[in-house]
Amino acid sequence: NAGVMQNPRHLVRRRGQEARLRCSPMKGHSHVYWYRQLPEEGLKFMVYLQKENIIDESGMPKERFSAEFPKEGPSILRIQQVVRGDSAAYFCASSLTGNTEAFFGQGTRLTVV
Amino acid sequence: EDQVTQSPEALRLQEGESSSLNCSYTVSGLRGLFWYRQDPGKGPEFLFTLYSAGEEKEKERLKATLTKKESFLHITAPKPEDSATYLCAVPSSRDKVIFGPGTSLSVIP
Repeated sequence: NAGVMQNPRHLVRRRGQEARLRCSPMKGHSHVYWYRQLPEEGLKFMVYLQKENIIDESGMPKERFSAEFPKEGPSILRIQQVVRGDSAAYFCASSLTGNTEAFFGQGTRLTVV
Repeated sequence: EDQVTQSPEALRLQEGESSSLNCSYTVSGLRGLFWYRQDPGKGPEFLFTLYSAGEEKEKERLKATLTKKESFLHITAPKPEDSATYLCAVPSSRDKVIFGPGTSLSVIP
């Protein structure tokens, strides 16, 4: 049973470009979380999704950021018109239900130049 | 407001020196508490789930315990390879998992 897969592992974008981060949850998991982590800082919740639904996006900036988890395919975190402050590690996690432990991917490290 | 705090923020131990990490939480109706380990540059690795006060779980040199207000991660005779950031997390009343800030553990040979 493959773990949570994130790609790409590293992404470099110029200011103003778009970044698309992908997350394939563990098999059978329908709950997906996205977190952001700056160096030497903790995990900051961004968004919580279930298949085809955004359950909680309270941690996600209202502008330039969007997330989806379609019926088929991976979850996508999309950042439009990236700025240097978007540079961070973005982690995805999946769980079987909203009450069970979540398993993490290895993250996507976004660098905006 | 649902909240998770951890202490200490950082801990340095000599190899073999046992200690405990604390995780305190305020959440309506605890439905589980999770412990993770995170190594630099990697995603958090799941360690334990605790569901009810009095429950204990063990894995090698780690033992997690749970009370009604807090959880402890006890580290017995740690080794340098136990150095990592340890995170605890709880499902909030809105069904999203919220994480504490973590304790950075360094075990010195």
